[in-house]
Amino acid sequence: QTVVTQEPSFSVSPGGTVTITCGLTSGSVSTSHFSGWFQQTPGQAPRTLISNTNIRSSGVPDRFSGSILGNKAALTITGAQTDDESYYYCVLTPGGGIWVFGGGTKLTVL
Amino acid sequence: EVQLVESGGGLVQPGGSLRLSCTASEFTFSPHWMNWVRQAPGKGLVWVSHIRNDGTTTYADSVKGRFTISRDNAKNTLSLQMNSLREEDTGIYFCVTENFGFQYWGQGALVTVSS
Repeated sequence: QTVVTQEPSFSVSPGGTVTITCGLTSGSVSTSHFSGWFQQTPGQAPRTLISNTNIRSSGVPDRFSGSILGNKAALTITGAQTDDESYYYCVLTPGGGIWVFGGGTKLTVL
Repeated sequence: EVQLVESGGGLVQPGGSLRLSCTASEFTFSPHWMNWVRQAPGKGLVWVSHIRNDGTTTYADSVKGRFTISRDNAKNTLSLQMNSLREEDTGIYFCVTENFGFQYWGQGALVTVSS
């Protein structure tokens, strides 16, 4: 069974840089996992930020970027803004049409 | 702009059934792979089911044998038939497009399973 891990919480100062990671309890994340990243504020539907490891969705500011760092997928926010305070979720596929989400990361900007 | 509108949510007793629909507009529905994702109150996102454009389906272990995903390309509609519902199925159900990853999300439909 695939289990995806994320940091439960992170804090960053306005203007700072933060990297949230998405790993596997068994094995390394690669581009073949088609990792994605989503932003969600309470009461709202998720918004897709990144898909297919590093493809930014239309309208997403370029301060959001996706990559593979070591053996994990990563979401980096460069120049964080107060509006970025939110929950962030990653997802990846082990193949066969199955997707697995991470538990989510609560980002505080202050 | 892509629009996905879920409907069919509501309150149902444990063991009951419910059918969710997701109506798509402003994009060509038939070639897209589609998914259902749910979120229990105060919890994270959980993938539920996937359907390809050729009708091939996959399910999370927690719903396998109880839920059935389907699509009607002529009506631009994705459906999720949910049977033998349990209290742990309670949550908001989102339909999501897939193209090398999840793209567009609907606003969600609330399903409450309670006696």
